[in-house]
Amino acid sequence: QVQLQESGPGLMKPSETLSLTCAVSGGSINTYYWTWVRQPPGKGLEWIGHIDYSGSTKYNPSLKSRVTMSVDMSKTQFSLKLRSATAADTAVYYCARNAGFLDVWGQGTTVTVSS
Amino acid sequence: QSVLTQPPSMSGAPGQRVTISCTGSSSNIGAGYDVHWYQQLPGTAPKLLIYGNTNRPSGVPDRFSGSKSGTSASLAITGLQAEDEADYYCQSFDSSVSVSGVVFGGGTKLTVL
Repeated sequence: QVQLQESGPGLMKPSETLSLTCAVSGGSINTYYWTWVRQPPGKGLEWIGHIDYSGSTKYNPSLKSRVTMSVDMSKTQFSLKLRSATAADTAVYYCARNAGFLDVWGQGTTVTVSS
Repeated sequence: QSVLTQPPSMSGAPGQRVTISCTGSSSNIGAGYDVHWYQQLPGTAPKLLIYGNTNRPSGVPDRFSGSKSGTSASLAITGLQAEDEADYYCQSFDSSVSVSGVVFGGGTKLTVL
């Protein structure tokens, strides 16, 4: 059974680059799309983008200029970088498997951007 | 402002039936893209509830059902239980140039009275 686990800094300062990793266990990373979704405090879900095993990406147009995703097949993990972070990027960040729908989710990691 | 529109809140008594709507447009639901539903219990990650408009993953009770028509979709919950109190999100895909990707509804907070 596939499981996902996010890891990241927790707290960061404005203008820094947010970096998160999602470790995939119990299954292969060379199928499906691997997705990042975030949820600001008290708000709804926002799709950030996804990547497949070949490194092909698709990003939310509203974040595209600041986002980079990558995949590490050897470590069966994928990563998110969000540049020039602001307080508006404070959220719980989830990684998820996209099988046409988001069928497996990580537990989420909270990232707070504050000076 | 979300691409897919859901009522912000709904409520129902135990045993009742509630229906949560998800309204889109010709570039998402109306274009034929599937609608999926997620349940988010307080303090937890979302969980897939309905996929492909009407299908339930293994383990999801048959009290939950989905439907789609035109530019809208609905999630119905029958025999409402206290454990159903959660936030519910619909999700689809949008092909418009400005969006071009996965889209979510704003979420519906369901309260069991």
